[in-house]
Formats: sequence, structure tokens, C-alpha cells
Amino acid sequence: AQSVTQPDIHITVSEGASLELRCNYSYGATPYLFWYVQSPGQGLQLLLKYFSGDTLVQGIKGFEAEFKRSQSSFNLRKPSVHWSDAAEYFCAIWYSSASKIIFGSGTRLSIRP
Amino acid sequence: NAGVTQTPKFRVLKTGQSMTLLCAQDMNHEYMYWYRQDPGMGLRLIHYSVGEGTTAKGEVPDGYNVSRLKKQNFLLGLESAAPSQTSVYFCASSYNGGGADQETQYFGPGTRLLVL
Repeated sequence: AQSVTQPDIHITVSEGASLELRCNYSYGATPYLFWYVQSPGQGLQLLLKYFSGDTLVQGIKGFEAEFKRSQSSFNLRKPSVHWSDAAEYFCAIWYSSASKIIFGSGTRLSIRP
Repeated sequence: NAGVTQTPKFRVLKTGQSMTLLCAQDMNHEYMYWYRQDPGMGLRLIHYSVGEGTTAKGEVPDGYNVSRLKKQNFLLGLESAAPSQTSVYFCASSYNGGGADQETQYFGPGTRLLVL
């Protein structure tokens, strides 16, 4: 069955430090993968997506993610976080046979001044 | 271009009352979705639609009904609200789910519902 796992519920990093949010998926074919960000009280905004090709994907706000088929992972990274990056981050996979996206449970990111 | 809009933004209901949440999109998208978001559970798909006049069940459809009479609108109904339906509801739309860039979903700002 298709699924997405975000093993970290809450992460706190210092402003200016690097960030990596983990995402693992279970899918039989080549996945379509997404990272969304949700600021407090807001809807979800697409950060980046992977469909095929280059396994390192660049997104908005200085984020990037790397698709690793051998590890079934699609981790999100940022070299230096800003206080405005505090939000909840969702990894998601496109479930093509049912025309829908499955979301992970989310990782809440807090920034330490 | 407003994108995806949701009405209302916030609502309080008593158990047993009914209400309809409205989602509208102006991007000519074929696919529309209703999700609920609860703490620690991410987003769960309630119902979705792959085109005007069509609807399908998602992961958690019980207690909800939907209609897609016009391509740009997707309505979510609660016939008899229960406290378990207290949640934040998000609507989303996408082009047509056919591959490449077409699976990207665009989200509305959400509707916060409290059922007492």
C-alpha cells in the first residue's frame, strides 16, 4: 500500500543552522513526491515537487529535496534557516491509480533565536 | 485570479445541525478535493471530484456529502454535525491528475469548524 512517513513530529533548530526534514515513502512504481509548507492559520503552499529526472530538486524559499530511490526517501533540506521558516511541513505522494495525494502526518519546525 | 477560496472561514455548530462549506476555484481545474486536518494526523481526504458532476469517496467520507454541479465549485455538506467533525477543512484543486505538473494541488485557506 502507498504511504508516507515523517518520523519527526517536532524539530527545533537555531536560526542560521542547517535543516533536514525526513520523509520516507512506500510505493511500487516511480513516485510523484511533494513537500508542502503550512504557516500558522494558513493553507498549504507547495515548496517543491519531484516527478522524474534530476534527483535533487530546488524549490521556493531556498529549500531543496533529494529523491533517493534506494532509501525510499525524499528529505527536505535548507542550508540556513530563518525565523520565518517556522511552520509545519508535509511530505506527500501522488497515488496515481486513485488520482489523489497521500500526506504524511507533518513535522512542526520551531526556530530558536 | 483568486485561486482557491473557501466560505466560511469559521463556524460554530451545535450537534445535529447541518451546514455546507463552499469551495470555489478560478483556475479551470478539473480535480477538486476536500480534506480535514486534525492534530498529529496530517491531512485526510474526505471526498474528491475528477470533473463536473462526479464525486468519489476518500479515506474518511462518513458523515459528509459533496456535490460538484459546476466545475468551479465543490460543496461539502454535513447533514447532522457531530463533535468528532470538529476540525479544519481544506479544499484543494488540481489541473487533471494526468501526469507531469498536473498533480500539483492548490489549497484554500481553510475553514475552522467547531461542533459543540
